[in-house]
Amino acid sequence: AQSVTQPDIHITVSEGASLELRCNYSYGATPYLFWYVQSPGQGLQLLLKYFSGDTLVQGIKGFEAEFKRSQSSFNLRKPSVHWSDAAEYFCAVGAPDDMRFGAGTRLTVKP
Amino acid sequence: DSGVTQTPKHLITATGQRVTLRCSPRSGDLSVYWYQQSLDQGLQFLIQYYNGEERAKGNILERFSAQQFPDLHSELNLSSLELGDSALYFCASSVGASGWGDTQYFGPGTRLTVL
Repeated sequence: AQSVTQPDIHITVSEGASLELRCNYSYGATPYLFWYVQSPGQGLQLLLKYFSGDTLVQGIKGFEAEFKRSQSSFNLRKPSVHWSDAAEYFCAVGAPDDMRFGAGTRLTVKP
Repeated sequence: DSGVTQTPKHLITATGQRVTLRCSPRSGDLSVYWYQQSLDQGLQFLIQYYNGEERAKGNILERFSAQQFPDLHSELNLSSLELGDSALYFCASSVGASGWGDTQYFGPGTRLTVL
């Protein structure tokens, strides 16, 4: 069965520092992978998605993610974090009609 | 603003009651998805409708039902409510049926509190 693990429940980084959020997945076939961001009181916004092709995916707001099949990982990165990036981040795998989400990683940004 | 609207924003009700949550998809989107987000279960896919027809079912309880109307808005009906049904309920929409290659756009959610 497909599943997603986000090992870090909460991460704190300083503004301007780099960020990496981890995501490991379990999927029987070629995975379809997504990263979403949820700001307080808001719905989920798609940051980026991977279906096939180039394993380094560029998304919105300066985020990127790298698909590594050998490690079953799809980590999200940003070179320089802004205070407005403070939010909860969800990794997901599967088709939209059978999407499995990770438990989320809450990002706090220190000034 | 995603273009997906949900009403009401908040709902407080008692155990055993029935409520209806409403979702209007983005203009042009034919698929509507319902999700439940709770502290213990996380974010779970409940059900999908495409152009008025049920397309896919996830972890939706038998006490819950949904429908999509000819104008493409959708309603999620929750009955015989239990304390554990307290959660944030999201609606999302996309253009196509399968979603592959589509982007799901999420609404702001309805927070349901069952007392």
